[in-house]
Amino acid sequence: ELKVEQNPLFLSMQEGKNYTIYCNYSTTSDRLYWYRQDPGKSLESLFVLLSNGAVKQEGRLMASLDTKARLSTLHITAAVHDLSATYFCAVDRETGNQFYFGTGTSLTVIP
Amino acid sequence: EAQVTQNPRYLITVTGKKLTVTCSQNMNHEYMSWYRQDPGLGLRQIYYSMNVEVTDKGDVPEGYKVSRKEKRNFPLILESPSPNQTSLYFCASSLSGSRDEQYFGPGTRLTVT
Repeated sequence: ELKVEQNPLFLSMQEGKNYTIYCNYSTTSDRLYWYRQDPGKSLESLFVLLSNGAVKQEGRLMASLDTKARLSTLHITAAVHDLSATYFCAVDRETGNQFYFGTGTSLTVIP
Repeated sequence: EAQVTQNPRYLITVTGKKLTVTCSQNMNHEYMSWYRQDPGLGLRQIYYSMNVEVTDKGDVPEGYKVSRKEKRNFPLILESPSPNQTSLYFCASSLSGSRDEQYFGPGTRLTVT
């Protein structure tokens, strides 16, 4: 069974601080996706990481992928309140068309 | 506007009463999929479709049916809903498969009593 594990599940951080969310997965996959979900809303795509070593940045968020370690990280720099949301990572198998999400990390940024 | 739409957005029903949640996309996407979201479990894939008349099971297909008669529509059918199907449901689509970025609908919150 393919597993996608995120940690931490809950994260409360002060504005201005840095932190990293981790996503481990158990299958061979060369790409990984990060999504954001605001309370009561749908999912919004943040990053698509397409290969080993891929790094993408958007504002205060930076995502990276290490396919050999089956690990992706989402790094938050100098957090602001607007980043409060739930973040999901997701993978698909290199073969097949199923999609697997992590359990999500609920981030709260405290002023 | 490119979008995925779902209807209804909210539904309360009783055990055993058949229901359909509709999903439609206007992006000419080949791939469509249904997920359910439950606290602590993330999103789990129910069914997906690679193209018209091509559907396949995801991780949690029990109790659900789907059909793909037209490219733009992918309804989710619960023939005999049970309380354990109370959940938040999302439809998604992508250009050609799970290897492409998926676009999500607004969600349907279903309560089965």
